[in-house]
Amino acid sequence: GAVVSQHPSRVICKSGTSVKIECRSLDFQATTMFWYRQFPKQSLMLMATSNEGSKATYEQGVEKDKFLINHASLTLSTLTVTSAHPEDSSFYICSASGDEQFFGPGTRLTVL
Amino acid sequence: QQQVKQSPQSLIVQKGGISIINCAYENTAFDYFPWYQQFPGKGPALLIAIRPDVSEKKEGRFTISFNKSAKQFSLHIMDSQPGDSATYFCAATTGGDSWGKLQFGAGTQVVVTP
Repeated sequence: GAVVSQHPSRVICKSGTSVKIECRSLDFQATTMFWYRQFPKQSLMLMATSNEGSKATYEQGVEKDKFLINHASLTLSTLTVTSAHPEDSSFYICSASGDEQFFGPGTRLTVL
Repeated sequence: QQQVKQSPQSLIVQKGGISIINCAYENTAFDYFPWYQQFPGKGPALLIAIRPDVSEKKEGRFTISFNKSAKQFSLHIMDSQPGDSATYFCAATTGGDSWGKLQFGAGTQVVVTP
């Protein structure tokens, strides 16, 4: 099946810093990617839809100025958590749209 | 508000037994229903998926049953193995511009005992 990678797999940062997470589709082009957030023992919550060449669409309640999304090419979308705080600590997962939805391995963000 | 309701929250089954997880939805525009398996610290992996024009789909030990009139679908794991111990999520999405925008159920933690 198709492969989606994420980098980094885990990151620890200090409160107030910004963190960038990359999502790549390795063997197919994805005009649309999605970013999800998952808290421990909970389900995945859709944060935003990342469209190549246009602005991201954010779900209700997700701060677009805090979670910056850039979809610069057909194989790369980035999520930047700006001015991170401890409550932003979570597991962030991207997916890429092909014939099916393929998920990345996730990025564990810990904000101290 | 969760658009896809999943039950049970957790399930313990003996090796060789059948695991059954149920999901229900309200949005009749949903037209694609995948099931994902997730291990701790990993991203979800697609197990099997179904569209509403089919009532059942089987892949290996995994079977989806779909009841369009009741707006329900379920996952059956036959001959459950300890390696099947994971969290399972049902999901749903519509076509068109919303293709891939998945609405997930709450998840079911399955434990298969030896």
